Amino acid sequence: QVQLQQSGAELAKPGSSVKISCKASGYTFTSYDISWIKQTTGQGLEYIGYINTGSGGTYYNEKFKGKATLTVDKSSSTAFMQLSSLTPEDTAVYYCARGLLGFAYWGQGTLVTVSS
Amino acid sequence: DVVMTQTPVSLSLAIGQPASISCKSSQSLVHSDGKTYLSWILQRPGQSPKRLIYLVSKLDSGVPDRFSGSGSETEFTLKISRVEAEDLGVYYCWQATHFPQLTFGSGTKLEIK
Repeated sequence: QVQLQQSGAELAKPGSSVKISCKASGYTFTSYDISWIKQTTGQGLEYIGYINTGSGGTYYNEKFKGKATLTVDKSSSTAFMQLSSLTPEDTAVYYCARGLLGFAYWGQGTLVTVSS
Repeated sequence: DVVMTQTPVSLSLAIGQPASISCKSSQSLVHSDGKTYLSWILQRPGQSPKRLIYLVSKLDSGVPDRFSGSGSETEFTLKISRVEAEDLGVYYCWQATHFPQLTFGSGTKLEIK
């Protein structure tokens, strides 16, 4: 069965970076892109962008350019998102989801807390 | 960006009652390919979102047929014919027609009386 297993919760200091992983199983990794979504209580669900798991090509929502960096490791069927220059506004649950238009499958989410 | 407006913000219903959630978009969601990329997801407490419906009215595998989706252009509705306890959570609509500018509604919280 299709699964997207995300890495565990992160506690980070302002100004630092974190790298979240999303390991896919149950399907051919390079057949689907991986999208990333941010969820906060205040802003709800926001689309960060996606990565083409075959070519490594990326798209970033304007709001997340310079904040998020998406990469993949095809050998381990894992997608990564690095968040840099963290501020308290980056505190959120981050989800990976399979595909571009459908999001039929979601990871379990990774809580990132930014606090000094 | 396309703004997705959901109403009501919350619903409190007894088991067996019907539910209806509205989702309106600020622009038509009909894609140039003729499809309408409007989906509904449910986020149960403490869980990640789960897609229920895609392309306005197509139920995902395993989704009970008490759920249905309808609508066109800018107005869409999710209906539950008879609410069950497992249906509690927050329902979101979202659009992918205007990819890569994907946007989500603000959510409707369903509580069980």
